[in-house]
Amino acid sequence: QVQLVQSGPEVKRPGASVKVSCKASGYSFETSGISWLRQAPGQGPEWLGWVNAYNSNKTYAQKFRGRVTMTTDTPTNTAYLELRSLRSDDTSTYYCALKPKDYGVAYAYWGQGTLVTVSS
Amino acid sequence: DIRMTQSPSTLSASVGDRVTITCRASQSVRNWLAWYQQKPGKAPKLLIYKASTLESGVPSRFSGSGYGTEFTLTISRLQPDDFATYYCQGGTFGQGTKVEVK
Repeated sequence: QVQLVQSGPEVKRPGASVKVSCKASGYSFETSGISWLRQAPGQGPEWLGWVNAYNSNKTYAQKFRGRVTMTTDTPTNTAYLELRSLRSDDTSTYYCALKPKDYGVAYAYWGQGTLVTVSS
Repeated sequence: DIRMTQSPSTLSASVGDRVTITCRASQSVRNWLAWYQQKPGKAPKLLIYKASTLESGVPSRFSGSGYGTEFTLTISRLQPDDFATYYCQGGTFGQGTKVEVK
């Protein structure tokens, strides 16, 4: 079965960077794309972007361009999200998620989430 | 970005009630609409995709309908496990509807 397992919680100072990992199993990672979303307390999820493990093509939400980098490591079936120049309003739970073929916009599989807290 | 607006924001209901949540899109999303259930500290769980297709393993008391800009999620008979927050997703996610105990 498909599993996405993320790295543990992080606490960062404003201006720092954070790198979150997402280890995938149970499907063909190297021929799929993976998305990253975040969710601030009390709000709906927000899409940050998508990376294709096959050819490393990426699409980032305009709001995060210049601050975000998404990568994949196919030998370890792991995707990474790096967010730089952190601000207090980046405090959120960050999720990796998978959208199966023929599901339209829907994310059927989610990691367990990684809480990133930005505080001085 | 396509904006998704859910109503109500909070819904108070009892076990056995029929519950309906509405989601409106700022422009047509055709049938590219999903519904999720989320409980505290957990990732969202997919319930419905393509507006009306029930995800495998989701109880049949959940149903979705709509096309274009207006969509509904219906829970036919609310069960104790259904008290949670529900999100629609078109281009973006709605702000959520919390279903709480009346």
